[in-house]
Formats: sequence, structure tokens, C-alpha cells
Amino acid sequence: QKEVEQDPGPLSVPEGAIVSLNCTYSNSAFQYFMWYRQYSRKGPELLMYTYSSGNKEDGRFTAQVDKSSKYISLFIRDSQPSDSATYLCAMSAPGSARQLTFGSGTQLTVLP
Amino acid sequence: GAVVSQHPSWVICKSGTSVKIECRSLDFQATTMFWYRQFPKQSLMLMATSNEGSKATYEQGVEKDKFLINHASLTLSTLTVTSAHPEDSSFYICSARRQSGELFFGEGSRLTVL
Repeated sequence: QKEVEQDPGPLSVPEGAIVSLNCTYSNSAFQYFMWYRQYSRKGPELLMYTYSSGNKEDGRFTAQVDKSSKYISLFIRDSQPSDSATYLCAMSAPGSARQLTFGSGTQLTVLP
Repeated sequence: GAVVSQHPSWVICKSGTSVKIECRSLDFQATTMFWYRQFPKQSLMLMATSNEGSKATYEQGVEKDKFLINHASLTLSTLTVTSAHPEDSSFYICSARRQSGELFFGEGSRLTVL
């Protein structure tokens, strides 16, 4: 079993839809949770960064962390064609000087 | 704007030559940087952790003599692909961790070995 599971998609939605992207994880030591957006042939761009459980909102994006269920989500409201990209969840444990553990990424297409 | 700069963004080289890729953190000091490789439609694969002032830590299966990493300063790490072969063609991405814990990525470097 992978430490972080993420549905690879692809996911297609019409413009204006609410998109829900999710990851589950098995390592209870994870405390830092991130969502990245990666356009084709570009490096990942940090969208959201949360610590421990709870919600965080930034514009059209909302990140949720449920540590009791080991489940994190990213919601995109009023989705736009420019949101079409691969979304990667990532997480790490405190004091970890190593690397984030990434999900495999979900490919999203928002249709105009 | 970008907080991690990676250069070059793309490079084509002949088989047997060496290629150097630079990764710079622009507005913060990074004692630790990371190098990844990414194949089409796949997630990032960690190659090595670059530590300022000390040797890099390589992931299992990554040849340290093939992929030379130097973390010369708190804002610069370099990856040199030595004696490149066509199978080394890939998308290479670096990242740098800010003290607050956020990880920022460079724009990536696409290497094509002919």
C-alpha cells in the first residue's frame, strides 16, 4: 500500500462546476499538507499549505484536512478552463528534513 | 513571481556529454534542496536530497556517480548529469524548502539526449 493514495483521474468537469480532489494517507505522523498544481511541462506550483487538521480558504480554493480519517481534500469553486492541470497532494511529518510524500496526481480538465 | 529559479529550462545534448542544471532559491536561504525526475504523466520521483555544505543523500537506485549534486551555497544547488545517454532524457525538477516548511519548486528542466 502506498503511503499516499490519490485517484489519478482523468477528471473532466464543465466550466463553473465545483471540483473535489482527494487524497488518503496511512502515516499518522504527517502534519503538513500541501496541494500543488502542475501544468504540462512546468514545475509544480504551491496552491495551499495547511498544518494539522482544519480548513483553509484562498480565493476559489479550499483545503480540508481530516486527520482522524487520514483524508485531505481540495475544493475548487467556479472552476475555469485555466484550472485544467494535474493536482498533486503532498504531505510531510514534523522535523522531516527529507522530502514530501506525494500523491500520484489527479489530471483535471475543465471544459468551456 | 517564482521563488525558485531553475536553469536551463530545456537542453538538448549529444550522448556522452555532461549537462549541468542549476537551481536557485531567490528570496530565501535553503539549507536543503531536492532533485526530482518526472516521466510523462507520472508523479515526481525523488532522486536526491541536496544539503548545503555536505554530500547529497541519494535515493535507492539513483547512481550518485551519474547524477552529481553540489550545494555550493544556501541559495544554489546544481545537478550534473554525467555522460548522458538517451535513457536519461527526462524532466528534472528541483525544489527548496523554506524554513516555515513550505516547499517551492523550480520550473523544471527538460533534458533530451540524442
